[in-house]
Amino acid sequence: QVQLVQSGAEVKKPGASVKVSCKASGYTFTSYGISWVRQAPGQGLEWMGWISAYNGNTNYAQKLQGRVTMTTDTSTSTAYMELRSLRSDDTAVYYCARGPSAYGDQNDYWGQGTLVTVSS
Amino acid sequence: DIQMTQSPSSLSASVGDRVTITCQASQDISNYLNWYQQKPGKAPKLLIYDASNLETGVPSRFSGSGSGTDFTFTISSLQPEDIATYYCQQYDNVVTFGPGTKVDIK
Repeated sequence: QVQLVQSGAEVKKPGASVKVSCKASGYTFTSYGISWVRQAPGQGLEWMGWISAYNGNTNYAQKLQGRVTMTTDTSTSTAYMELRSLRSDDTAVYYCARGPSAYGDQNDYWGQGTLVTVSS
Repeated sequence: DIQMTQSPSSLSASVGDRVTITCQASQDISNYLNWYQQKPGKAPKLLIYDASNLETGVPSRFSGSGSGTDFTFTISSLQPEDIATYYCQQYDNVVTFGPGTKVDIK
């Protein structure tokens, strides 16, 4: 069965960086992209971007350009999202999700979420 | 970026009621729209893709329709387990989510 398992919660100071991992299983990793979505406490969903696991191409949300980097390791079927220069308003639950792909642009499987807290 | 609006922002309905949520895009997005359900403390779950296609395993009481700028999501008979926040998502240009509609039981 398809599973996306994310790394554990993180507490970071303002200005630091965080790197969240998302290990995929149960499907051919390179056949799908991995999208990243975050949700601040009590707020809605915010799309951060996605990476093609096939060729590493990325597409980032404009507001995060220059601070976010998404990568994949096809040998371990793991995707990573690194966010730099953290601010308090980056405090959120970060989700990875499968898709898009040649089969469609929907995100059909999601990780369990990783809480990142930015606090001095 | 394309802006998405949803209405209502919240609603309260009785078990068995028909519930309708609308989602409007700031420009034509054809049928490039998905609907997700999110329960508190959980990850979102895909319900409808490409505006009207029911995801495998999702109960048939959920449905979606629309194209262009105006979309509708319907629960034909509200069940207690449907208490959640529902989000539309467009993927025509970059990706944006609607602000969500919180559904609870009256």
